[in-house]
Amino acid sequence: AQSVTQPDIHITVSEGASLELRCNYSYGATPYLFWYVQSPGQGLQLLLKYFSGDTLVQGIKGFEAEFKRSQSSFNLRKPSVHWSDAAEYFCAASATNNDMRFGAGTRLTVKP
Amino acid sequence: DAGITQSPRYKITETGRQVTLMCHQTWSHSYMFWYRQDLGHGLRLIYYSAAADITDKGEVPDGYVVSRSKTENFPLTLESATRSQTSVYFCASMRTSGVFTDTQYFGPGTRLTVL
Repeated sequence: AQSVTQPDIHITVSEGASLELRCNYSYGATPYLFWYVQSPGQGLQLLLKYFSGDTLVQGIKGFEAEFKRSQSSFNLRKPSVHWSDAAEYFCAASATNNDMRFGAGTRLTVKP
Repeated sequence: DAGITQSPRYKITETGRQVTLMCHQTWSHSYMFWYRQDLGHGLRLIYYSAAADITDKGEVPDGYVVSRSKTENFPLTLESATRSQTSVYFCASMRTSGVFTDTQYFGPGTRLTVL
């Protein structure tokens, strides 16, 4: 079955440190891939998306993600985390019109 | 300039009652979606609509009914609420047709509690 897995439920990093959030997908062919962020009490906001081409994708708020076909991964990174980055992050994948799958999410805590 | 709104934001109801969650978007986006968000599951697609009068099931449609008589509105009805439908419900819209390649814009969510 098609699925998206985020192995880390909760990650804590210090402000200014680098960040990597993991995402793996299980699809027959490479799906379209997305990262969304959800601040407390808010809806989801798109950070970036990958369809094809360059495997390193730049997004908003200084985030980037790298697609690795051999590892079926689409990890999200940020070189220096800010306190305002504390939120829940969701990886998602889509292959057809009625199949948008989200991972369970990774909650990011930022220490001062 | 409202974008996508949901009402109510919070709702408490009892088992067996009918509940309707409203979703309204001001962009005239063709696609609209309903998701539920539960701890440990992320978001799961309940129903989606490609245009007015066109709806289709998502991953978890049982117990829910949708309609879309107007492009801007996409109400979700729980015909007989159950405790397992306690969740946070998100509506989203998307501009283009085809696969989910365009950005989905999410509403603020409705927190529903079924007692």
